[in-house]
Amino acid sequence: EAQVTQNPRYLITVTGKKLTVTCSQNMNHEYMSWYRQDPGLGLRQIYYSMNVEVTDKGDVPEGYKVSRKEKRNFPLILESPSPNQTSLYFCASATGGGWNEKLFFGSGTQLSVL
Amino acid sequence: RKEVEQDPGPFNVPEGATVAFNCTYSNSASQSFFWYRQDCRKEPKLLMSVYSSGNEDGRFTAQLNRASQYISLLIRDSKLSDSATYLCVVTPHSQAGTALIFGKGTTLSVSS
Repeated sequence: EAQVTQNPRYLITVTGKKLTVTCSQNMNHEYMSWYRQDPGLGLRQIYYSMNVEVTDKGDVPEGYKVSRKEKRNFPLILESPSPNQTSLYFCASATGGGWNEKLFFGSGTQLSVL
Repeated sequence: RKEVEQDPGPFNVPEGATVAFNCTYSNSASQSFFWYRQDCRKEPKLLMSVYSSGNEDGRFTAQLNRASQYISLLIRDSKLSDSATYLCVVTPHSQAGTALIFGKGTTLSVSS
């Protein structure tokens, strides 16, 4: 089944404790992206990747890192999480450039930073 | 002016009603337009792309008005299962890798 898999689904952590949210897709998509969703602010892009070893900042990259060592994986790293990073996170992938293609989303990660 | 604007609603309608949402965008060079549906706390899913000539998929009709810079979504014969948040999505221009711009969504609640 074609899908984007995110883990974990829920995560509670404390300020400053490094964490990684994993994202994997099995559709051989070139484009992958991370979003955060907050009440009243909608979906905002954090980082995106056009292909292996190619990543770029979205609208809200501060406090986040990503890597794209393999085509299928695009982990989101929070080196020193802070409470303002409490949010619902979605990973997404698409073929081609992503700009005119259907986005496939993972089921989301609800992160709480205490 | 915000890049993509939607009326947040909620739109509360009875079953069988026809309801329409609009979404305005600020960049006249925008190239691609979509409607996504999102159920509470779940991932967004593509509902339909929006083409220049307008397009229809069953009870759903999407329209694009480039002159006035808005897109619309019409839902006919609303069902309880249509209750969700509808996200307008716009690509600012045709450059590959360009971030999609999401509207904040319009909430629809269909009641029996």
